[in-house]
Amino acid sequence: AAGVIQSPRHLIKEKRETATLKCYPIPRHDTVYWYQQGPGQDPQFLISFYEKMQSDKGSIPDRFSAQQFSDYHSELNMSSLELGDSALYFCASSPPTGGSETQYFGPGTRLLVL
Amino acid sequence: LAKTTQPISMDSYEGQEVNITCSHNNIATNDYITWYQQFPSQGPRFIIQGYKTKVTNEVASLFIPADRKSSTLSLPRVSLSDTAVYYCLVGGRNTGGFKTIFGAGTRLFVKA
Repeated sequence: AAGVIQSPRHLIKEKRETATLKCYPIPRHDTVYWYQQGPGQDPQFLISFYEKMQSDKGSIPDRFSAQQFSDYHSELNMSSLELGDSALYFCASSPPTGGSETQYFGPGTRLLVL
Repeated sequence: LAKTTQPISMDSYEGQEVNITCSHNNIATNDYITWYQQFPSQGPRFIIQGYKTKVTNEVASLFIPADRKSSTLSLPRVSLSDTAVYYCLVGGRNTGGFKTIFGAGTRLFVKA
């Protein structure tokens, strides 16, 4: 079965640089979520999109922005990178459902800021 | 969004049944209870979801009492490969919308 695809899988950047992470949801899933997970920490919700519209925001820094495109793929843009942005970034997608919300996670992008 | 509380860690031995209980006193009428498993450096993986009573699939069972203020994930006959972090999430499209809050999960250590 198709899974969520994230690219790149690994990324090394220097402070103050920019980074773009991409997420390709499972076909026919209508919702995309982004999470940040630091070393030894629990996933932190950043932002979500439902039917290509931003739906909810979590602890996403102002330096980050995201969007979902017409083909449902999503991109997380990160500017003025800081050392503390080093983390695993997960994207998840969920299918249209009546009320429950099951999320399917991608393998993540490991970002290292030097 | 309902807040969840789980034990920080649990130890078990191979072949034993493991039960992890999650408290969610403020669960809303339309909330679902979902459990995820996460291995180091991997994305969380869906295990099981339920609304009330008991749900069973090929890997786990989920017990939800009538008041729905708690739930128990049951893993039968665990193996070393079940060592992971387990998260209990409460919510749904009709309540929390598309905002998900991961609480502190339960770190399960399975010993030989």
